[in-house]
Amino acid sequence: QAVVTQEPSLTVSPGGIVTLTCGFSTGVVTSGHYPYWFQQKPGQAPRTLIYDTSNKHSWTPARFSGSLLGGKAALTLSGAQPEDEAEYYCFFSYSGARWVFGGGTKLTVL
Amino acid sequence: QVQLVQSGAEVKKPGASVKVSCKASGYTFTGYYIHWVRQAPGQGLEWMGWINFNSGGTNYAQRFQGRVTVTRDTSISTAYMELNRLTSDDTAVYYCARDSGWEYWGQGTLVTVSS
Repeated sequence: QAVVTQEPSLTVSPGGIVTLTCGFSTGVVTSGHYPYWFQQKPGQAPRTLIYDTSNKHSWTPARFSGSLLGGKAALTLSGAQPEDEAEYYCFFSYSGARWVFGGGTKLTVL
Repeated sequence: QVQLVQSGAEVKKPGASVKVSCKASGYTFTGYYIHWVRQAPGQGLEWMGWINFNSGGTNYAQRFQGRVTVTRDTSISTAYMELNRLTSDDTAVYYCARDSGWEYWGQGTLVTVSS
């Protein structure tokens, strides 16, 4: 069973920069894992921010960006806003057709 | 517009089964996969499996293998997720979502397992 690891919690100052990362138990994360990033606020369904490593949806604020960094998937928030406080989940494809979520990172803007 | 509308909340006893539906509209259903994801109270997201709406092919997370079945009825553009042998650990909100960017999610269905 694949295991995906994320930082359990991170804190960023308003206007600051923070990078969330996502590692994979099987080794290096590549674009072939089609990394996704989801944002979830309390009481709401998840919302996709990033797909296929770095692609954004029309609703994804420009301050969010996705990349591969040091063998991991990364989500960088540049210029944090209070409304960015949420849980963030990464999500990978593996073994060709199965998918797995990371445990989530609780991001606090303070 | 694209919509995924799920069936309503369910309360089940341990050992029972539950079947949740996800009706798609606003797009060509056979061109996409539908995934199922669940979230237990206060916990993270958990991927359960997918169905290819065109072929009916499926793939499931290992931990649900043998206990979950995902099907679809193309005539009414609806996908179903059935989970058997329920325990209290299956109490969760169950979501369907469309692949290719995961832009669209159902509203979620709360399944409560309690004696």
